[in-house]
Amino acid sequence: QVQLQESGPGLVKPSETLSLTCTVSGGSISTYYWTWIRQPPGEGLEWLGFVYYTGSTNYNPSLKSRVTISVDTSKNQFSLKLSSVTAADTAVYYCARKGDSGWVFDYWGQGSLVSVSS
Amino acid sequence: QAVLTQPASLSASPGASASLTCTLRSGINVGTYRIYWYQQKPGSPPQYLLNYRSDSDKQQDSGVPSRFSGSKDASANAGILLISGLQSEDEADYYCMIWHSSAVVFGGGTKLTVL
Repeated sequence: QVQLQESGPGLVKPSETLSLTCTVSGGSISTYYWTWIRQPPGEGLEWLGFVYYTGSTNYNPSLKSRVTISVDTSKNQFSLKLSSVTAADTAVYYCARKGDSGWVFDYWGQGSLVSVSS
Repeated sequence: QAVLTQPASLSASPGASASLTCTLRSGINVGTYRIYWYQQKPGSPPQYLLNYRSDSDKQQDSGVPSRFSGSKDASANAGILLISGLQSEDEADYYCMIWHSSAVVFGGGTKLTVL
């Protein structure tokens, strides 16, 4: 059974860079697309971007200038960096796997709450 | 105007049916899109339910009851998630999603209350 686990600081200061890592267990990170999705408290879902195991990426146009997603196949991990954060970036950040068919996100992490505050 | 618009809330009685709509922005034709539906319960990540493009092109995740089904209303330019025989466990937030202009786009979500 594939499992995903987010890790990283729960508190980031304004203007700094938010960094999270998603560790994949129970399966290989190869062959799939891996994505980050966030959810501000009490609000809806926002897609941040995805990375293919080869390292190719695609980002949400509204965040493209601030988002970097990378993959480390040797560690079975992929990572998110979001620069110049503000309070509006406070959210639960989920990592997820895009399955074999279409845009089905079939495995998700439990989510990591990141607060932006001084 | 948002790409996908969902009503913020919907209430229905146990045993009844609930029709959750996902309206595409004017100029974006629902007929050309595959609509994905996710369910999210408090404190948990979203869970994929099904996707629908047409009656001959749809997919339901294993384990999702047949009470859940997808459709489209072309006249309203909307995707629909129909839940029949509502149960208390169906109370959750529901999100629609499409792949549009090389990006994943979510609707704002509908909070379904079963009472």
